[in-house]
Amino acid sequence: EAQVTQNPRYLITVTGKKLTVTCSQNMNHEYMSWYRQDPGLGLRQIYYSMNVEVTDKGDVPEGYKVSRKEKRNFPLILESPSPNQTSLYFCASSLAQGAYNEQFFGPGTRLTVL
Amino acid sequence: EDKVVQSPLSLVVHEGDTVTLNCSYEVTNFRSLLWYKQEKKAPTFLFMLTSSGIEKKSGRLSSILDKKELFSILNITATQTGDSAVYLCAVVGYGGSQGNLIFGKGTKLSVKP
Repeated sequence: EAQVTQNPRYLITVTGKKLTVTCSQNMNHEYMSWYRQDPGLGLRQIYYSMNVEVTDKGDVPEGYKVSRKEKRNFPLILESPSPNQTSLYFCASSLAQGAYNEQFFGPGTRLTVL
Repeated sequence: EDKVVQSPLSLVVHEGDTVTLNCSYEVTNFRSLLWYKQEKKAPTFLFMLTSSGIEKKSGRLSSILDKKELFSILNITATQTGDSAVYLCAVVGYGGSQGNLIFGKGTKLSVKP
């Protein structure tokens, strides 16, 4: 089944404890992206990747890192999480080399930082 | 600064009503506008619009873009309770990178039986 998977789906952690949220797609998509969704602020883009080894900042990249070493995976790394990173995170991918066409979203990861 | 504004922020209607959701935008060198539907989970794609005046249609949903006035509308006719969701509008411009997607805050639609 064609899909975007994220792990973990739920995570509660403490301030400063490094964590990684994995994202994987099995559709051979070129483009991948991370978003966070917060009440009243909507969906905001964190980082995106147009292709392997190519990543770029979205609108809210502070406090996050990403890597794209292989086409199917695009992990999101929080080196030192803080409470203001408590949010719902979505990974998405697209066949197009950009965000301008349909994206497929993963199921989301709900992160709580205490 | 690129931005997307959706209105209304929330809307309550009864089954069978027709609704119109609005999305206005400011973006450097517009590339495309996208509509997504979000129920209690991840967003799902509805439409991609790139040209003015060409209606996209899928069942009871339709959407059109006006590049001169910088807005798009999403119409839903004969609404059903299953249409209850948050509808998201997003735009991509050439100005920065075609990877940068700007979302509006969404319109929360509630359809009452």
